[in-house]
This record gives sequence, C-alpha cells and structure tokens, in this order.
Amino acid sequence: AQTVTQSQPEMSVQEAETVTLSCTYDTSESDYYLFWYKQPPSRQMILVIRQEAYKQQNATENRFSVNFQKAAKSFSLKISDSQLGDAAMYFCAYRKETSGSRLTFGEGTQLTVNP
Amino acid sequence: GAGVSQSPRYKVAKRGQDVALRCDPISGHVSLFWYQQALGQGPEFLTYFQNEAQLDKSGLPSDRFFAERPEGSVSTLKIQRTQQEDSAVYLCASSLALSRDRGVGYGYTFGSGTRLTVV
Repeated sequence: AQTVTQSQPEMSVQEAETVTLSCTYDTSESDYYLFWYKQPPSRQMILVIRQEAYKQQNATENRFSVNFQKAAKSFSLKISDSQLGDAAMYFCAYRKETSGSRLTFGEGTQLTVNP
Repeated sequence: GAGVSQSPRYKVAKRGQDVALRCDPISGHVSLFWYQQALGQGPEFLTYFQNEAQLDKSGLPSDRFFAERPEGSVSTLKIQRTQQEDSAVYLCASSLALSRDRGVGYGYTFGSGTRLTVV
C-alpha cells in the first residue's frame, strides 16, 4: 500500500520569506502523480502544484516549486515570497497513474505566515 | 456548475440518526470520489464512482455507510445509525479523466465538504 508522510505538523514563515514543506512517500509503482493541496478554513482542497513521476524536471507554478527526488521518494514544496494568503493547511498527496485511482494524503502541515 | 457543490455545509445529528450528504460534481465529470477527513488529519478515501458504477468501496468503514450515484451525476453518501466516531468532514471530488490523460483532469476538483457532528 502507498503511504505519504509529512513530518512537520506546523511551520511558520515571515511574510516575503521562503519556506519549504517536506513530504516523503512509499510506493512500488514506477508511474504516478504527486500533488500539493492547500486547505484554508473554507475546507475546500485547492490544487497548488502537481508533478508527474516520469518527468525529471521539477514543477513550478509562480511562487511555488517542488524538489522531486524520485529515488529518495521525496517531494518537498518551496513557497517563495510568502504572502499572508498562503496561510493554510498543506497536504501532500499521491496517486497511481491508473484511471480512477484514489488520492492518498499525508497528515498535513499547518503553515502560519507572520506579518 | 462551475465547481463541486456539497450540501448541507454543516449537519448535526443525534447518535443513532440516519444522515444523507449530497455531492453535485462538475457537469460531465466521469469520476467521483468521497473522502472522510477527521479533525486535524488528512482525508481518507471512502469510495469511487465511474459514472453510475461504484468501482471501489473498500474505504467505507462499516456497512452503515452507503453511497450511490444512480444517474452518473449527483451522488449521495448515506450513514445509518450514526455514531460519534462518524464525526468528520466529508469531502467529495470529481474528475474528467477516464483514461491515461496527461492534460486536463488528472487532478481532482474538491467541494467544500460537509462537516458532520454526531452528538
């Protein structure tokens, strides 16, 4: 079974600074997807960034980037120029490539942004 | 609609009461998932539909949980004889992807969930 581990229950960052959230996963699959979702108090899961395992290049979306280390099964999220609106719970998630595969989530990291 | 809609947003049930939670996915989305999210935890998979077919219900915690999607669009998650341990946020997600697709849809769109409190 696949597992996703986020070892940082809480993180804090100063506004405009950079923060990195850690995630490791375990799988025997060679083709899969990895995601970072943001969950504000409104509860809706918002997709922040995604990475396809077959792509060696790390994904980037504006201020958000990942460091994908396939051999180490590590998938960290870097947030640059942190903004107050980035404060939320962040979840790392995995799914197999197969159509209809479920998302497996980590335990989450609560990010606080200090003004 | 433009997004995934879930209702009610909040539900308080007395222990032993039956509840029904509704999910309106994005129009045309083939895949629909239900997740249960306990307080302070990540979401846990409950069940998966492809159109009206329930292809995976391995995450349902007991036979008190039942889900349906009779016409391949709206889905209902029903919990019979609710217990306190059923208190959680129930999230619905839908996706367009039906087959290997590296374009639109391999991520899922989530609703805002229903917070169920059993007292």
